[in-house]
Parts: sequence; C-alpha cells; structure tokens
Amino acid sequence: DAMVIQNPRYQVTQFGKPVTLSCSQTLNHNVMYWYQQKSSQAPKLLFHYYDKDFNNEADTPDNFQSRRPNTSFCFLDIRSPGLGDAAMYLCATSRDLGTSTDTQYFGPGTRLTVL
Amino acid sequence: GENVEQHPSTLSVQEGDSAVIKCTYSDSASNYFPWYKQELGKGPQLIIDIRSNVGEKKDQRIAVTLNKTAKHFSLHITETQPEDSAVYFCAARDDKFYFGSGTKLNVKP
Repeated sequence: DAMVIQNPRYQVTQFGKPVTLSCSQTLNHNVMYWYQQKSSQAPKLLFHYYDKDFNNEADTPDNFQSRRPNTSFCFLDIRSPGLGDAAMYLCATSRDLGTSTDTQYFGPGTRLTVL
Repeated sequence: GENVEQHPSTLSVQEGDSAVIKCTYSDSASNYFPWYKQELGKGPQLIIDIRSNVGEKKDQRIAVTLNKTAKHFSLHITETQPEDSAVYFCAARDDKFYFGSGTKLNVKP
C-alpha cells in the first residue's frame, strides 16, 4: 500500500536535456515537498506546495521548477540538467504546515543520472 | 532558522550491542522530532518520533529521549541486528523540517 509513489525510480538524461520527475500520493495531504539528496548527505529541501501555494527555498536554483496540478500529483522539472544535478530526488508529504506535529512521509526516490 | 547537529557521523557496533545517536537543535520553537532510517537506494523511512510534551518514547528495540531544556534528543537501538545497518537521520520541526547530517550505522555480525 504505497502512500507516496515516485516515477521513475531511475532516470538517465543528457546534459542540458529537460527532465521531469513525478510524485503522487494517496494520503490526501495538503503539503508536498521536493528534496535533493546527494551521496552521504542529508536531504536538502528545494521547495514545497501547501495546496496550490508554492514556496521556493531561497537557495534553490532557477533551473528547478515544480508543478502541482491537483492534490495527488506533484512534478519536479529540471530545465537544463547539469552534472551537478545528479542526485536522488525525494518527494515527501505532510498533512499540514507550521508548528503542527504532523509526520512527513517520503517516497522511495528517483535516482537521476546526468551524462 | 533551525540548526540540527547529529553525532556521530559513523557508528560501528557488534551485533547484539546497543547503539546511540545524538542530535541537538537550536530553536526552542521546534516541537516535533522524527527519526528516519534510510537504506541504500531507498527513501527515508520514519522509525520513531517524539513530540515536545513527551520525554521518552519506546517501540520494541528502539527508543527516543528528548531533553527540551538542553535541546537535545537521542535515538537508542538495543540488541542491534545486521538489518539495522543503514543511515539514520534525525530531524526537528518548527515551520518546516530540518535534518541532521546523518549517522551511518554498521552492525557487524
């Protein structure tokens, strides 16, 4: 009973070729997050959606964009991937934001390789 | 914003021994502290969490303690098994989740 699903699990793209990663959730949570995780490092928050409200982290490059067409789906678009964008991309959800004590649930991740 | 520090970065124990991982946080407004286990090539999986109105929580071989005054919380794994080998992340939440840098736990058979 997967709750946060990411597709594909592995993605290979060429330098500069746009790529889209997909995330869906069955939890009906308000918040969806995208994290970038490089080897041996903690997940780094790129941005999140609270419902339709988009919140970009200050240090997220413009190369990274996101779309949330409905509650269940969220997409990460990398417009011109560079070699430094090779990483694991994690999608997560939580019911709410702010000082709520809601749990955050992660998907299995998409491993992106840039050639 | 919040700053979470995690120690040690690597931990090697013999099967059956206990393992302890410690985290400190800076923002007294943080009120929720989850621990995640991440196996190679997979997403982080929540293993236990604690809220700021609780000092200790236990789930079978795993326990978490929280000291709000000192702003630190710890993960305790007893009777470790080889399948406990993974990277463990602590996190603290105020307006969003802030992660520690991770601890790679190796349980030797």
